[in-house]
Amino acid sequence: AQKITQTQPGMFVQEKEAVTLDCTYDTSDPSYGLFWYKQPSSGEMIFLIYQGSYDQQNATEGRYSLNFQKARKSANLVISASQLGDSAMYFCAMREFYSGGYNKLIFGAGTRLAVHP
Amino acid sequence: DTEVTQTPKHLVMGMTNKKSLKCEQHMGHRAMYWYKQKAKKPPELMFVYSYEKLSINESVPSRFSPECPNSSLLNLHLHALQPEDSALYLCASSQDRTDLPSGANVLTFGAGSRLTVL
Repeated sequence: AQKITQTQPGMFVQEKEAVTLDCTYDTSDPSYGLFWYKQPSSGEMIFLIYQGSYDQQNATEGRYSLNFQKARKSANLVISASQLGDSAMYFCAMREFYSGGYNKLIFGAGTRLAVHP
Repeated sequence: DTEVTQTPKHLVMGMTNKKSLKCEQHMGHRAMYWYKQKAKKPPELMFVYSYEKLSINESVPSRFSPECPNSSLLNLHLHALQPEDSALYLCASSQDRTDLPSGANVLTFGAGSRLTVL
């Protein structure tokens, strides 16, 4: 069975510093996708970044980058130059194997990030 | 503003009430999802609709009844709920393209409907 693990319940970082949020996964499927979402206190889940299992390069989106280490089955999110607005819950998610075009995502437990001024 | 609109934002209902949650998107997405999220927990998938047909039901109790009247709308009908059903209900949509990598079918979520069952 597929599994996503986020071992850091909470993290804090100083404004303008970089922070890494950990995510490990387990799957026997050679084709998979990994996603990171941000959930502020308002509740909406905001898509941040995606990494496919066959992608040769690590994904980057602005201040977000994904440190993808396939052999170690880890997909850590790196946020550079943290801002106060980055304070939120962060979820790592993996697409379960599917035969259709939709994405059935399973989520990790989440990491709550607090950015301090 | 989110491109997936959920109404109402907050709902309080008794165990004998019948109510509905609504979700609307105009991005041309053909897959729509309902997730349930309890406090301090990750979202859990309830239902997936693909091209207006129910594709996944994650063994959800029958007191939750989904409906997809057209490609832009998704409803969740609620009847005889229990207090433990109190949660944030998130709707999402995505493209449903098998010719693209899964990253192209990113889920866009609404802001959620916070349900309290008394």
